[in-house]
Amino acid sequence: DIQMTQSPSTLSASVGDRVTITCRASQTITTWLAWYQQKPGKAPKLLIYQASSLQSGVPSRFSGSGSGTEFTLTISSLQPDDFATYYCQQYNSYSPWTFGQGTKVEIK
Amino acid sequence: EVQLVQSGAEVKKPGESLKISCKASGYRFTTYWIGWVRQMPGKGLEWMGIIYPGDSDTTYSPSFQGQVTISADKSISTAYLQWNSLKASDTATYYCARLRRGSRDAFDIWGQGTMVTVSS
Repeated sequence: DIQMTQSPSTLSASVGDRVTITCRASQTITTWLAWYQQKPGKAPKLLIYQASSLQSGVPSRFSGSGSGTEFTLTISSLQPDDFATYYCQQYNSYSPWTFGQGTKVEIK
Repeated sequence: EVQLVQSGAEVKKPGESLKISCKASGYRFTTYWIGWVRQMPGKGLEWMGIIYPGDSDTTYSPSFQGQVTISADKSISTAYLQWNSLKASDTATYYCARLRRGSRDAFDIWGQGTMVTVSS
């Protein structure tokens, strides 16, 4: 299986901060990577697909980058609605598809 | 509006069978893959498998192969996740989700989740 490792596991930040979350794959996945946001008791929401493509309706303060084994999700200016848990997911092959363990963004 | 609506919460005993559902609306059900994702209490997301309702082509994660059955009824635009004999470790919230495009893509539309509790 391809292992996805996110860092940090928890991140404390303030409104207006620039936030970066990293996701590393145990082997190359080219750009077959997505980012999701999940709030407590809710289903995940797609933010980014194909490593850097912004899903329709998602605010432009979210951006994704990377290829191969290292990827980042950046929130350019953290808003109150952004406090949530973020997951990366690889869909490179049915090896199976795997998610990172999640990064919780908390209020500082 | 494109949406997936899942069946309600279930409380079952170990050894019982269960089939939960995911009804699609607002798009052509037979032309998008649908997957299932498990989230155990307080834990992360796990990909279980996907199905193409057009021809019922199915791929399972090795971790879930033989443990669950994924199926679809295109006549009523509904996907299913089924267990023949539940275990306490199946306690989790299960999400269905649609693949954005093709057979290898992100999940763009999610159901609201079905909480399954297995306890004696």
